[in-house]
Amino acid sequence: RKEVEQDPGPFNVPEGATVAFNCTYSNSASQSFFWYRQDCRKEPKLLMSVYSSGNEDGRFTAQLNRASQYISLLIRDSKLSDSATYLCVVKWGWETSGSRLTFGEGTQLTVNP
Amino acid sequence: DVKVTQSSRYLVKRTGEKVFLECVQDMDHENMFWYRQDPGLGLRLIYFSYDVKMKEKGDIPEGYSVSREKKERFSLILESASTNQTSMYLCASSFRSAATNEKLFFGSGTQLSVL
Repeated sequence: RKEVEQDPGPFNVPEGATVAFNCTYSNSASQSFFWYRQDCRKEPKLLMSVYSSGNEDGRFTAQLNRASQYISLLIRDSKLSDSATYLCVVKWGWETSGSRLTFGEGTQLTVNP
Repeated sequence: DVKVTQSSRYLVKRTGEKVFLECVQDMDHENMFWYRQDPGLGLRLIYFSYDVKMKEKGDIPEGYSVSREKKERFSLILESASTNQTSMYLCASSFRSAATNEKLFFGSGTQLSVL
């Protein structure tokens, strides 16, 4: 079983749509959770962290369910510029010996005009 | 802006060659990482380092080694390149402190082809 699993998509949605991505992780000792965004032929960049209470950044909302080991990302009012691959990322390990991030395979989103 | 620089964007090597991939960061980050990214497999951690001269194996270290002689530089070495090491290689760095080390800064990647 993969440590971090995502639906690879692709998701094709019209502009203005609401789209949700899901992610599950297998290591119950995981400490922190993130969503990264990767544009075509570019490097990944941090989109947002995911907090236990849920958090929002503009049109983006992230949720965490530790009991179910499940993370989600909701994008409202999709824009063409949201087209990218969204990577679910989980952190575990110790600060003194080097914590590490494990990446999901990514979910590809295309927003159409 | 943080900059993580990888020495080559594209590289073509022959089977059996020794390959060096260089990565330099300019933000005094303690942590540095090497990932490879393949279609259908995502990013997989090869090696990481949390201090000078320190290294830890990631998920797929076989066939690779690393060197961290200076804080700003982290090198990935393919001792004898094989065709299954054809991939996009991404270097990343981050601060060690708990509050900030979740943000990885990536280089733009090296697409390595082994023929």
